[in-house]
Amino acid sequence: NAGVTQTPKFHILKIGQSMTLQCTQDMNHNYMYWYRQDPGMGLKLIYYSVGAGITDKGEVPNGYNVSRSTTEDFPLRLELAAPSQTSVYFCASSYRALDEQYFGPGTRLTVT
Amino acid sequence: GENVEQHPSTLSVQEGDSAVIKCTYSDSASNYFPWYKQELGKRPQLIIDIRSNVGEKKDQRIAVTLNKTAKHFSLHITETQPEDSAVYFCAASKAGGTSYGKLTFGQGTILTVHP
Repeated sequence: NAGVTQTPKFHILKIGQSMTLQCTQDMNHNYMYWYRQDPGMGLKLIYYSVGAGITDKGEVPNGYNVSRSTTEDFPLRLELAAPSQTSVYFCASSYRALDEQYFGPGTRLTVT
Repeated sequence: GENVEQHPSTLSVQEGDSAVIKCTYSDSASNYFPWYKQELGKRPQLIIDIRSNVGEKKDQRIAVTLNKTAKHFSLHITETQPEDSAVYFCAASKAGGTSYGKLTFGQGTILTVHP
């Protein structure tokens, strides 16, 4: 099992550009989450999904969009990137709501 | 929504000493409290968790205690080793309603264990 994988590992984006961060899990987990981690800070939930076709907003959803067409994939879309979106983005998954969340390796994104 | 406060923000100990990190939460309905360890440049990984129906849980050198009345929970690491150096995050969550297991994280504690 690869677990949770994310691409790309690093990316530099210009202000106003858009991009998609990819997340895939091979553990047949129902729940998937996107977090952002700013320097020296904890993780904040952006969006989450409880199954294919079902997504909802987390604590900091503005400027982002998600979709979940399959159990395995949960891409995060950044539209009109802003410097405030410079962060490390982690995708995570769990089998049930209160189970251990398994994190991907993260994507370090710089918007400049 | 839920708010989780974590203290201290940094903690420095000598190898072999104990380390204690404390968290308080605001939502009395929260019933799941995990602790994650994040080494520099790595992903967070679960080290221990506790649910509201127990007051304490141990796993070798790590223990977590929960006081539901006071709405706080703590991580205890005994006989610390240099490889325990990392950032530790507490979190809180609840089942039911629209929660769906959403975790609210504390701000993190940087633990440094000096040899």
